[in-house]
Parts: sequence; C-alpha cells; structure tokens
Amino acid sequence: ETGVTQSPTHLIKTRGQQVTLRCSSQSGHNTVSWYQQALGQGPQFIFQYYREEENGRGNFPPRFSGLQFPNYSSELNVNALELDDSALYLCASSRIGTIEQYFGPGTRLTVT
Amino acid sequence: QQPVQSPQAVILREGEDAVINCSSSKALYSVHWYRQKHGEAPIFLMILLKGGEQKGHDKISASFNEKKQQSSLYLTASQLSYSGTYFCGTGTNFGNEKLTFGTGTRL
Repeated sequence: ETGVTQSPTHLIKTRGQQVTLRCSSQSGHNTVSWYQQALGQGPQFIFQYYREEENGRGNFPPRFSGLQFPNYSSELNVNALELDDSALYLCASSRIGTIEQYFGPGTRLTVT
Repeated sequence: QQPVQSPQAVILREGEDAVINCSSSKALYSVHWYRQKHGEAPIFLMILLKGGEQKGHDKISASFNEKKQQSSLYLTASQLSYSGTYFCGTGTNFGNEKLTFGTGTRL
C-alpha cells in the first residue's frame, strides 16, 4: 500500500472524446509524475508537477495536459482521444529533492 | 532512449537464483528497480545512485556500475512471490526528473 490513490479504476471512452483522470498523493509528497503504460511495455513519462506547475514533460502532444492542486492532488486531461491512447495511466508521487517515486494503482483507459 | 533489459524473460524453480541486467547508453545518476504483477501498479524495490553502490534487502540486491552505465538486480533463492515483471527506470539528474523505463523482464 503506497498511499497513492487514483480514480477511476477503469474507463471506456470513444475516439475524439475527452477524459480526466485523478490522482491523490501520499501524505507529505508534493510532486506528482504521470506515466502511460501500454500493454507489454514499460511506463513512459508524460509530465511532472511540483508546486502546481509543470516541472518536466516527456514526448507527448499538447492534448495531454495536467493540473496540480494546493493539496498536491493532480489531474491528467487528454483531449481528442485516439485509439493509441488506450493504456494504463499511472501516477507516482515523491517529495521534491528525494529519489523514490511511489506508484498508484493506475487507471485503465480503453478508447474504442 | 530507453534502457535495455536482459533477459526478456526467465523461468525459475523455487530456490533458484536469477540476475536481471539493465544497460543505458546515457550517463546515469540513478537506477530505480520496480516489480509489477499483472494488472497492478509497479512496486518500488530499491534505488541505486551514482557512485557504484550495492544495495540489498531480504534476498534481493542490486549493483550499479557507473562506468558502464549498467545495473544488475540479483534475486536469490527465488520464491513464488517474486513472480512478475521487473522494470529498471533510469534517471540522469538528481531530484525528481523523469524516469525512463526499460521494456521489462518477466520472471
């Protein structure tokens, strides 16, 4: 149990729709990173948020956006969904300046 | 560029040992090891930092060869609970930067 929670657990959307995924960080952790994990692959870094600002971004298009709130929880928004967006979306929390990242259980997104 | 893990898969009997390797073409500051069971989140195992330290807990240990940009995870006297896919995630800077994960080793 890492103390990182995500909602919803599963989600089915249609191509072209928009989706919002949520992540609640572990107590005392003020940095949240989001990863996309396609089936059979390792997680791929999407972006990281610290103090409510984006603090690094991977190779993902602008239709992937995020927010971090004062309580350090975070949202991942994906617009204009494509079939290839189907994946497990993981958030990981950590304290800035430290190394360990602890993952939440993930949200399984299916785009049809 | 993502790190390369080897082997891609390994089958063990209980009590046997295994070594999983992770190689990067980039200069690394840290290597993070995770185990993921099917349908679950990756579970943090350990981190190794630049300096070539070796770490371990229980029967799982790891080493980091900074000069070769390689890390190895050692699983001794394997148990059924060790089953899963092992990922190495590499970091190139101190602090909370993005982790680049390998393709995984299925045990």
